[in-house]
Amino acid sequence: SQQGEEDPQALSIQEGENATMNCSYKTSINNLQWYRQNSGRGLVHLILIRSNEREKHSGRLRVTLDTSKKSSSLLITASRAADTASYFCATGNSNSGYALNFGKGTSLLVTP
Amino acid sequence: DADVTQTPRNRITKTGKRIMLECSQTKGHDRMYWYRQDPGLGLRLIYYSFDVKDINKGEISDGYSVSRQAQAKFSLSLESAIPNQTALYFCATSDWTGNGYEQYFGPGTRLTVT
Repeated sequence: SQQGEEDPQALSIQEGENATMNCSYKTSINNLQWYRQNSGRGLVHLILIRSNEREKHSGRLRVTLDTSKKSSSLLITASRAADTASYFCATGNSNSGYALNFGKGTSLLVTP
Repeated sequence: DADVTQTPRNRITKTGKRIMLECSQTKGHDRMYWYRQDPGLGLRLIYYSFDVKDINKGEISDGYSVSRQAQAKFSLSLESAIPNQTALYFCATSDWTGNGYEQYFGPGTRLTVT
């Protein structure tokens, strides 16, 4: 079953603005990961945050994790047209070889 | 060259046909996975393998089978294809990073069953 749920389902912003996507999950986790998928292509790993971390940065990406609320957010600052993609949160499942449980994704459109 | 490759990239087949999707990796990872993606549903796990001798069913394994021919190769078969198996199929590998298992995805195979 799918573990994560992203919100919003779709987001449209202009270049230079910040984009925030949220993810909620159901069970306890060891870590949470965010992936990006350009249209019809494979997923690319963006960032991993451990369950004992509250915030993590990577370039223009900022991820927060609140294990008490079972939620995470991904912030993309100063967005660019090239950031247009779908973004998925994923949690590892130790019962299935740490295969990832993915949410349904947020579709981000950044217009010039 | 890409680290995780999938063949074919696109395939159209008819109901009832047997079809095999192949995945190869040069990353040297032991763990490999097959997912399918349907519009609006995210990715769902079909099968996963820890090594050549260890293969496990995922969430939606019915109608599928797999073969791990070598550490680098993991094939997915549809024994008798049906239209609701039309989807985008992804192979992935994973490795322990010290913080968790990050996954590396192939480019996908778009399968259409008519």
